[in-house]
Amino acid sequence: EAGVAQSPRYKIIEKRQSVAFWCNPISGHATLYWYQQILGQGPKLLIQFQNNGVVDDSQLPKDRFSAERLKGVDSTLKIQPAKLEDSAVYLCASSWGDRGLEQFFGPGTRLTVL
Amino acid sequence: AQRVTQPEKLLSVFKGAPVELKCNYSYSGSPELFWYVQYSRQRLQLLLRHISRESIKGFTADLNKGETSFHLKKPFAQEEDSAMYYCALRGDDKIIFGKGTRLHILP
Repeated sequence: EAGVAQSPRYKIIEKRQSVAFWCNPISGHATLYWYQQILGQGPKLLIQFQNNGVVDDSQLPKDRFSAERLKGVDSTLKIQPAKLEDSAVYLCASSWGDRGLEQFFGPGTRLTVL
Repeated sequence: AQRVTQPEKLLSVFKGAPVELKCNYSYSGSPELFWYVQYSRQRLQLLLRHISRESIKGFTADLNKGETSFHLKKPFAQEEDSAMYYCALRGDDKIIFGKGTRLHILP
């Protein structure tokens, strides 16, 4: 089966600019996750969707980050405006359901904020 | 509060020697625990989960609720085991990853 797709793979922007990431999960997966992985750390969950509803966005910096999953399939994550500390790899993952199930990860988008 | 601790950033082991990657957690309820692995230039992927009680690629992990640990073990290391390993905990509908341990298998 096709895996989780993400684009772009790399992005370099200056601080205060905006950026958007796109994720296409595995077909049929109801749950979609966005993670932020800063160098040297493990992935940190930013937001979890169940179909097109938000299950958990407690760690999403809502003053600058936003995410949507229209129609319960693709998702976009936006940062506006970006800060230096947003430099990280942004990972998208999906799973059939939520609890106890395997998450399938995309290749990630490496963001560098200058 | 939920917490996952992987005390070693780097673990170097000779080929053929036993491997133990440590994971300790903090959670008051019944946790779901996972080990994820990322090989060089590959995606993060599930290695095993405690509810399955399975052995994958020779690795096993036992949940020890008394010691709040979920250490990953393999009796004989192979060169292809070199990778980044992350322990993850799911509780209260939140999932938390540890900082990871880089396993380096020496020839």
